[in-house]
Amino acid sequence: GESVGLHLPTLSVQEGDNSIINCAYSNSASDYFIWYKQESGKGPQFIIDIRSNMDKRQGQRVTVLLNKTVKHLSLQIAATQPGDSAVYFCAENSGTGFQKLVFGTGTRLLVSP
Amino acid sequence: DTEVTQTPKHLVMGMTNKKSLKCEQHMGHRAMYWYKQKAKKPPELMFVYSYEKLSINESVPSRFSPECPNSSLLNLHLHALQPEDSALYLCASSQAPDPDGTQYFGPGTRLLVL
Repeated sequence: GESVGLHLPTLSVQEGDNSIINCAYSNSASDYFIWYKQESGKGPQFIIDIRSNMDKRQGQRVTVLLNKTVKHLSLQIAATQPGDSAVYFCAENSGTGFQKLVFGTGTRLLVSP
Repeated sequence: DTEVTQTPKHLVMGMTNKKSLKCEQHMGHRAMYWYKQKAKKPPELMFVYSYEKLSINESVPSRFSPECPNSSLLNLHLHALQPEDSALYLCASSQAPDPDGTQYFGPGTRLLVL
């Protein structure tokens, strides 16, 4: 049978839709959060980051929301395109003095034309 | 330019072999990292180098030996690996080891241990 964790959560959307990818983080002391995009066969690519003194940050077509009360992070992608298809990871910095990134489990985004 | 390069792209090795992975960046970054990523899993931190000194070792087995010859280069020496060490090995760098600096990743070396 299947083992838990072998399949990534998947979000399927149509081209042009807005996408929302969610992430729960574990360490209430984490003060820096990043979203990465990883395409097949490539390394993670930085999308956007946010510090714990903010609750929203916008980039080009992307917005990150941070809710420290419930330890929740979300990535919103506007007007999703087929090129946005990838696995998206949130990461939190749990290090003190150094960067020690802990990645979430990831979400696969599939965009249909 | 935010490029981190890694060589080789693919590597197949036997359990008795010794091999090395290489990572290079020319962005003037002073912190460099090694991660291991298994299929369908997130990257997991292995080592952190800060100003060419090993700062964090996440309890990695001694068959993995990192080396930072200069501020632009990071190596990972492999010896007597096990099949379960097969994974994508990612290198990353950031401008400084500060807690809120952006890490930029290379494309990775896909390692298969037979």
